[in-house]
Amino acid sequence: NAGVMQNPRHLVRRRGQEARLRCSPMKGHSHVYWYRQLPEEGLKFMVYLQKENIIDESGMPKERFSAEFPKEGPSILRIQQVVRGDSAAYFCASSPPEVPGGYTFGSGTRLTVV
Amino acid sequence: AQSVTQLGSHVSVSEGALVLLRCNYSSSVPPYLFWYVQYPNQGLQLLLKYTSAATLVKGINGFEAEFKKSETSFHLTKPSAHMSDAAEYFCAVSDNTGRRALTFGSGTRLQVQP
Repeated sequence: NAGVMQNPRHLVRRRGQEARLRCSPMKGHSHVYWYRQLPEEGLKFMVYLQKENIIDESGMPKERFSAEFPKEGPSILRIQQVVRGDSAAYFCASSPPEVPGGYTFGSGTRLTVV
Repeated sequence: AQSVTQLGSHVSVSEGALVLLRCNYSSSVPPYLFWYVQYPNQGLQLLLKYTSAATLVKGINGFEAEFKKSETSFHLTKPSAHMSDAAEYFCAVSDNTGRRALTFGSGTRLQVQP
């Protein structure tokens, strides 16, 4: 039973390019969360999604960032026109429907903007 | 709003000594509390969680934590440190209102000296 799969593990983008981060939740998990970890800091919540629905995006920057979790396929976190400050580790977690969820984290995507 | 404070960004212990990592939380509703461990360049692994059952929670790798409502604390302990315990530890809080986002502390880096 594979865990939460994130790809790519490392992503390098030049300023102004787009970054697309993918997350496949654990089998049986229908809830997906994205967190961002800046160097030497804890994780900060960004967005919570269920299939085809954004449930809570209170932690998402208002511009350039978007997330989706389509009916088929992985969840995608998209960052348009990346800037140096977007360099961070982005973690995806998934959980089953019941609360509190047994959150399972992926290994993260480390984004470097040059 | 919820918050988590982890006292001590760095803790150093000798191998075989007691490990004590401190976590205090703030929550206006009954909380769910979690401890996660992160090894370098990896995702977060759940150590243990408190979900309003027993106040003393036992987790993996010999760790345990005690929920103390009067002190709003959820400190993590292990009787005898092992070299393999060296990692970053994060305390996190969520609530039972349906908002599933985890609020993380800033982390404590544990060093284990031989």
